[in-house]
Amino acid sequence: GIQVEQSPPDLILQEGANSTLRCNFSDSVNNLQWFHQNPWGQLINLFYIPSGTKQNGRLSATTVATERYSLLYISSSQTTDSGVYFCAVEYRGSNYKLTFGKGTLLTVNP
Amino acid sequence: DTAVSQTPKYLVTQMGNDKSIKCEQNLGHDTMYWYKQDSKKFLKIMFSYNNKELIINETVPNRFSPKSPDKAHLNLHINSLELGDSAVYFCASSLGQKLHFGNGTRLTVT
Repeated sequence: GIQVEQSPPDLILQEGANSTLRCNFSDSVNNLQWFHQNPWGQLINLFYIPSGTKQNGRLSATTVATERYSLLYISSSQTTDSGVYFCAVEYRGSNYKLTFGKGTLLTVNP
Repeated sequence: DTAVSQTPKYLVTQMGNDKSIKCEQNLGHDTMYWYKQDSKKFLKIMFSYNNKELIINETVPNRFSPKSPDKAHLNLHINSLELGDSAVYFCASSLGQKLHFGNGTRLTVT
């Protein structure tokens, strides 16, 4: 099956700092999504981004499918950004099956 | 509110018991899923249904049986619970490819 690797595994920031989270995947994909799991356990879909760049407020994401990676940018981080960020991919022929990375645990300190 | 809702939120039970988790979505989505999140936060798909038809069945023990009475509902029944079944179980739905999760059910088997 496809391998999904996220880096860094842990990240600690001061409020107001910017950060970049990376997701590498081992095969061609037709679906890539970023999720945020907040400290209460809720999983929120941030982006559906199999290719290209999207922005939503302070968050943006870029996927370079030909080079098999995606980046999630968080600007001017806030304490509410804390939690685990997951990348998930669906490779061609996997029939709606999303494979998740192990996540990046982000802690934003006030 | 439009959402994916699952009940109960917490489930504590003894080994050997049988339990069910219910999931409903009012988003009009045609595909529903069950994911398991282990103690290390790793998310793995268990089952997927599209218009009440099973399309993904990962290597899950036969003690786990999903049931979809209609495309808005996907329930998960677990027989003969074991300690290793303790985890958070997430229901999700999608129309096309963007995934929306419920808030999870934390199952603790003692």
